[in-house]
Amino acid sequence: GENVEQHPSTLSVQEGDSAVIKCTYSDSASNYFPWYKQELGKRPQLIIDIRSNVGEKKDQRIAVTLNKTAKHFSLHITETQPEDSAVYFCAASKPGGGADGLTFGKGTHLIIQP
Amino acid sequence: DAMVIQNPRYQVTQFGKPVTLSCSQTLNHNVMYWYQQKSSQAPKLLFHYYDKDFNNEADTPDNFQSRRPNTSFCFLDIRSPGLGDAAMYLCATSREQGAQETQYFGPGTRLLVL
Repeated sequence: GENVEQHPSTLSVQEGDSAVIKCTYSDSASNYFPWYKQELGKRPQLIIDIRSNVGEKKDQRIAVTLNKTAKHFSLHITETQPEDSAVYFCAASKPGGGADGLTFGKGTHLIIQP
Repeated sequence: DAMVIQNPRYQVTQFGKPVTLSCSQTLNHNVMYWYQQKSSQAPKLLFHYYDKDFNNEADTPDNFQSRRPNTSFCFLDIRSPGLGDAAMYLCATSREQGAQETQYFGPGTRLLVL
């Protein structure tokens, strides 16, 4: 099955700096890569996603890049703010015989230092 | 505007005492998922329903069962909870089956086993 590796497990950056979180996946058939943000005790919330037919997608301060050849994708957050502090999960899914759940990375705890 | 609702938010049960967690959705989505998330770990898919079709993950213990009586509701039954089943249980939905469908998560039910 699919295996998603996520790095780093913890990332501390100064407010205003950029943060980059990287994920790799194992199954070349995977074609959908969402990123979720989860604050303590709350639900995972989709912040951005990318499909395999594009290499980059941007939404204000958040961007995601995808390299299908290398099977990795990254989340970029610019001008970080204290409210960006949370755990971020990458995930991957692929077409299958029926509905497919997501395979998540282990998460990155992002800490924004004031 | 709650779209995916989970009740209760916190559930305490005793070792071996059956417990049922519930999920409802106002999105009229065809697919409903149950994930288990242990502390500081990524969500792990237990099973999902596409309409009435049940799909169990290969490594989901038999102790976990699910029911979907109608489009809006889905239940997670834990027949004999063990201490290792203490976790956050997340329900999610997607409009259709297929890898590129966005999944929307509920707030989760945190289960404590005494």
